[in-house]
Parts: sequence; structure tokens; C-alpha cells
Amino acid sequence: GQSLEQPSEVTAVEGAIVQINCTYQTSGFYGLSWYQQHDGGAPTFLSYNGLDGLEETGRFSSFLSRSDSYGYLLLQELQMKDSASYFCAVNTGGFKTIFGAGTRLFVKA
Amino acid sequence: KAGVTQTPRYLIKTRGQQVTLSCSPISGHRSVSWYQQTPGQGLQFLFEYFSETQRNKGNFPGRFSGRQFSNSRSEMNVSTLELGDSALYLCASSLEGGRGDTEAFFGQGTRLTVV
Repeated sequence: GQSLEQPSEVTAVEGAIVQINCTYQTSGFYGLSWYQQHDGGAPTFLSYNGLDGLEETGRFSSFLSRSDSYGYLLLQELQMKDSASYFCAVNTGGFKTIFGAGTRLFVKA
Repeated sequence: KAGVTQTPRYLIKTRGQQVTLSCSPISGHRSVSWYQQTPGQGLQFLFEYFSETQRNKGNFPGRFSGRQFSNSRSEMNVSTLELGDSALYLCASSLEGGRGDTEAFFGQGTRLTVV
């Protein structure tokens, strides 16, 4: 089967750095994306990695290692508004993107 | 530019009934995907449509169906509703839905409650 594994919960303090890992096992792979979803809101796109390496967008960075079937999302200078659920997602190439179960991030003051 | 619009936002149905949900993608986007979201399960892929054709589907029973119209608007239908169908149903649109698409845009979802 196809699966994406990510931690269910992460807690960090304001101003800190947090890393959310994602490992995947899929029949096809064309890229790893990250989405943020606040309670009651729609998932919103954060970043995409199609090739190995680090992508940086402001306070958020994302990393991919295709040989390890592994990626992570790095959030720096955490703010209270970053408290949300974060999903990794794999574009399998067959007009299908599958998502992980999500990581709930709690940011404490 | 208007975002993805899903209607209705909330719905309460009785077991055994059927329901139709609607999704209007961003103008110019031709690919529409549907997902079911339940607590702890993430987003489960239902199906993807492009140019009125279903190109892929997830592992859901045949009670779940969908279609896409020539203007790219899409509907999904669930027949013979069960309590376990209670969930947030999300629609996502993208330009082509293929390997080149790196980002999908989601609607606010339809919260379906089956009683």
C-alpha cells in the first residue's frame, strides 16, 4: 500500500525552531508538498520539493531526500499563529496526491 | 481572483439518504480533486477529475461518485449515507493536476453530519 508517516503531535515554545518529519512509501513519486491547516480552515500550501535538497520560504524551509523517502518541514522563529496542523503530501504522478495524517503543532508562550 | 468555492458549508443528513456536494474551482483550473477528512485520518483521496473525465480514484465504496462539468465545476455524490460518512469533504483545484502541478488550492470544505 501507499503511506506517509508523520508525528501526530509536536509542542514547542514561541521563538524556537521545530522540525516535522515525513517518511513516505508510494508507488510513484513526483514531489513532496507541505500544507498548513488551522482549525476550521482550509489546507493552504506552504512548500514543494521536487528534487533533493532544501527549499526556503521565509521562516519555513522544507527538505527532501528521495533516496531515503524522507522529508521534513522546518519552522523557525515560531509564533503563536503557527499553531495548526501540518500535512505532508506526495504527488504520485498518477493524477493523485496522497496526504499524511497530519502533525498537530502546539506553540506555547 | 476568486478562490475555490464549496457549497453547502454545512449539511445534516439522515442515514440512508443521499447527498450532493458542489465545488467551483479557481478560474482557469481544470483539475479538481476531492478528499474526505476525518480526525486522525488526514485527507483521504476520493477522486480526481480533468476535462469531465475521472482520471483516478481512491479506495472508497461505489456509493461515492462524482462528475465534472464543461466549466470545470465538480460535484460529488454519496448515496445511502452511513454514520461513518460524517466528515469534512474538501475539494482542491489545480491547473492541470499532473506531475507539473506543485500546488493545490483548497476550498473551505463541506461539513457533513449523518445522524
